[in-house]
Amino acid sequence: QKEVEQNSGPLSVPEGAIASLNCTYSDRGSQSFFWYRQYSGKSPELIMFIYSNGDKEDGRFTAQLNKASQYVSLLIRDSQPSDSATYLCAVNRDTGRRALTFGSGTRLQVQP
Amino acid sequence: EPEVTQTPSHQVTQMGQEVILRCVPISNHLYFYWYRQILGQKVEFLVSFYNNEISEKSEIFDDQFSVERPDGSNFTLKIRSTKLEDSAMYFCASSERIGRRLAGGVEQFFGPGTRLTVL
Repeated sequence: QKEVEQNSGPLSVPEGAIASLNCTYSDRGSQSFFWYRQYSGKSPELIMFIYSNGDKEDGRFTAQLNKASQYVSLLIRDSQPSDSATYLCAVNRDTGRRALTFGSGTRLQVQP
Repeated sequence: EPEVTQTPSHQVTQMGQEVILRCVPISNHLYFYWYRQILGQKVEFLVSFYNNEISEKSEIFDDQFSVERPDGSNFTLKIRSTKLEDSAMYFCASSERIGRRLAGGVEQFFGPGTRLTVL
């Protein structure tokens, strides 16, 4: 069973702090890694993707990937109340298959 | 910015009835997908579609489900005889612009979803 695991939270951080969200995956064949944000009752919104080991930065977001440890994380700097949502980690084998396997998500609460 | 659109936003049906959920993927994308999310649970892959045929499907996507691209813009999911457990949000997604290198190009963009309620 190919699993993607996330702490369900809630992760509570004060406004302006760094939020750190973590994800582990079991399929060593995973090649592509995605972070989606999902507000309650809404659809997943793609915010970051990463394919190579290391860090990838986009504005206030940094994705980190360590394939040896089968670990991917998302850092949100200068957290805002509007960042309060559930963050979904998704992985893909990217070898002709395109199905995304999602984690159950981590709920982030940014306190004003 | 181009978006995936879905209709209806909410569908209520009786158990055993057929439903068709409709999606318009982003116009220059090549791959189309259906996912579902039962309330409070994970987003689950159902099926992917490329070049007018199914390219991949999950165990959930049994004989009760079918997909079709009836014209150049719409992509549909049909459930032939709905069950109570089919109640969920159904998301359509699309990926990969025409001409984009496939390596690293599997970012999928989701529509707003159709909430299906089976009574």
